[in-house]
Amino acid sequence: QLQLQESGPGLVKPSETLSLTCTVSGGSISSSSYYWGWIRQPPGKGLEWIGSIYYSGSTYYNPSLKSRVTISVDTSKNQFSLKLSSVTAADTAVYYCASIRPDLDYWGQGTLVTVSS
Amino acid sequence: EIVMTQSPATLSVSPGERATLSCRASQSVSSNLAWYQQKPGQAPRLLIYGASTRATGIPARFSGSGSGTEFTLTISSLQSEDFAVYYCQQYNNWPLYTFGQGTKLEIK
Repeated sequence: QLQLQESGPGLVKPSETLSLTCTVSGGSISSSSYYWGWIRQPPGKGLEWIGSIYYSGSTYYNPSLKSRVTISVDTSKNQFSLKLSSVTAADTAVYYCASIRPDLDYWGQGTLVTVSS
Repeated sequence: EIVMTQSPATLSVSPGERATLSCRASQSVSSNLAWYQQKPGQAPRLLIYGASTRATGIPARFSGSGSGTEFTLTISSLQSEDFAVYYCQQYNNWPLYTFGQGTKLEIK
């Protein structure tokens, strides 16, 4: 069974870049069966898909965030990462990573990232 | 972009009763629809995929139906642990996804 774990700073200053990593265990990130994705949830609100990546490096981004998002994969570490640039308070959210098959069958526990000076 | 609309926003049901949650897509998503359950402080959990297939370990009281633009999640006899927020998600134009805004299922 796959397990995913998000890690990264819980506080980011406005205009800076948010960086998170998702570590996958219980399976290989190079599996042809899965894509890997990031989803976020502002406090008290619904889910927003951020983007997805395949182990080959192919990426797909939410058009509303595309200009600020970069997702990358490190197969040697069984990890994939999210960078979101020029953050504002509106980017404050719980950020989840998930496995995609294409439904989202395994999720990380989520990590709260607050944008504040 | 495919817009997913869930109704109602809040549903109040007594334990032991049936709950019916709806999800509508702005254009056909075939059967490429999933349902997730989210409890406070937890990550979403996959309940249903392919519009009607229960995920591993999901009780039989959860069932999904529909195709095209209209979908339903039914919980046949509500247990205390079922009170949560439920989201639908289309993956017809995977890997570009959209979620519904959620339905909060609360105890009546």
